[in-house]
Amino acid sequence: AQKVTQAQTEISVVEKEDVTLDCVYETRDTTYYLFWYKQPPSGELVFLIRRNSFDEQNEISGRYSWNFQKSTSSFNFTITASQVVDSAVYFCALGEGGGATNKLIFGTGTLLAVQP
Amino acid sequence: GAVVSQHPSRVICKSGTSVKIECRSLDFQATTMFWYRQFPKQSLMLMATSNEGSKATYEQGVEKDKFLINHASLTLSTLTVTSAHPEDSSFYICSFSGYNEQFFGPGTRLTVL
Repeated sequence: AQKVTQAQTEISVVEKEDVTLDCVYETRDTTYYLFWYKQPPSGELVFLIRRNSFDEQNEISGRYSWNFQKSTSSFNFTITASQVVDSAVYFCALGEGGGATNKLIFGTGTLLAVQP
Repeated sequence: GAVVSQHPSRVICKSGTSVKIECRSLDFQATTMFWYRQFPKQSLMLMATSNEGSKATYEQGVEKDKFLINHASLTLSTLTVTSAHPEDSSFYICSFSGYNEQFFGPGTRLTVL
């Protein structure tokens, strides 16, 4: 079955703390894509990262970093030195059928609240 | 990334009326696009996939006669919610399929009274 699990429903941290958002996926495809999106209160989805299953290198972009572990089917997202502007719902998603442009299966999302 | 617009951004309507939501790609063309629905505090769920010039493929549980999709061109798709009811109140998001990712519209918040 194709499935994305984000076990953390809500996380609250104080500004400048580091926070990791977990994502575990299930897929029958040998090639697949994983994504992270940010959804601020305004509602629009903000693309954060796309990862191909062949590329297991961790990625860092500013305060954001991603840890992709195929062995545990996880694609976790860490925000370093969190800021109030990071407050949003974060979705992990899996491209169905192995494609980056196929329909996406979203996790249930993690609501991150960063307190000043 | 590509720019996708949705119109209207918010709409309030009476129960029983129909509402049309437009999704337009402003700077690229795409054969395939998707319509998602997001109920409050829930995840995005795919409603349907449409290819330009073809009939849409609906996900299980989504009524094709209620949610009419017209993918008229490579840059425009419309979703019409017919005979809307309060349980159709939701956030509707479209996306166009690009080379390596989907490009999402900003969403339309529908409230049915």
